[in-house]
Amino acid sequence: GAGVSQTPSNKVTEKGKYVELRCDPISGHTALYWYRQSLGQGPEFLIYFQGTGAADDSGLPNDRFFAVRPEGSVSTLKIQRTERGDSAVYLCASSQGLGADTQYFGPGTRLTVL
Amino acid sequence: AQSVTQPDIHITVSEGASLELRCNYSYGATPYLFWYVQSPGQGLQLLLKYFSGDTLVQGIKGFEAEFKRSQSSFNLRKPSVHWSDAAEYFCAVYKAAGNKLTFGGGTRVLVKP
Repeated sequence: GAGVSQTPSNKVTEKGKYVELRCDPISGHTALYWYRQSLGQGPEFLIYFQGTGAADDSGLPNDRFFAVRPEGSVSTLKIQRTERGDSAVYLCASSQGLGADTQYFGPGTRLTVL
Repeated sequence: AQSVTQPDIHITVSEGASLELRCNYSYGATPYLFWYVQSPGQGLQLLLKYFSGDTLVQGIKGFEAEFKRSQSSFNLRKPSVHWSDAAEYFCAVYKAAGNKLTFGGGTRVLVKP
């Protein structure tokens, strides 16, 4: 596609449920990033992939959060036992390579945990 | 540790007036600096970036930014704002060791007619 796409655009769930958020990066981009943006704040890094492997997951808040990118393209962010504090916009970005290559962001998935 | 500070949470400017958004960073080495804009319901869009060389950087939509090492600043400017510039603006620094962007808290710009 022309840009980074994310689905769903909105997700409402109940506390304790499991959710999956999907990211389709720009075709050919080898690096993929997940960020979380809480209300009134800037995006915060969660994890990035180079190819299929998670090169740095130091931003994941705890072990309820997990992300995969099995074929080096689409990525899924998985959140188990959701909590109200997980409510935020989850942003995905991709870049052609590593280094300071421009990161292109998707529109985000707004997650609301009731 | 690196951090990015955007001191102004909100700025209101009249259409046609000039705009300056402040960004201060804390980083030991030469920083790679970015400005992104986020319009409601849309993803972050890159306005401009600074890696090295000329400290005055031109971007899209008529924006420019100036890197001042002595002040640890990378302020964004536009000479004449348009109503469509109403959005939230984020400054970010890239850290090579971690291959990640660290963002400031953002500045929301409101444009008065």
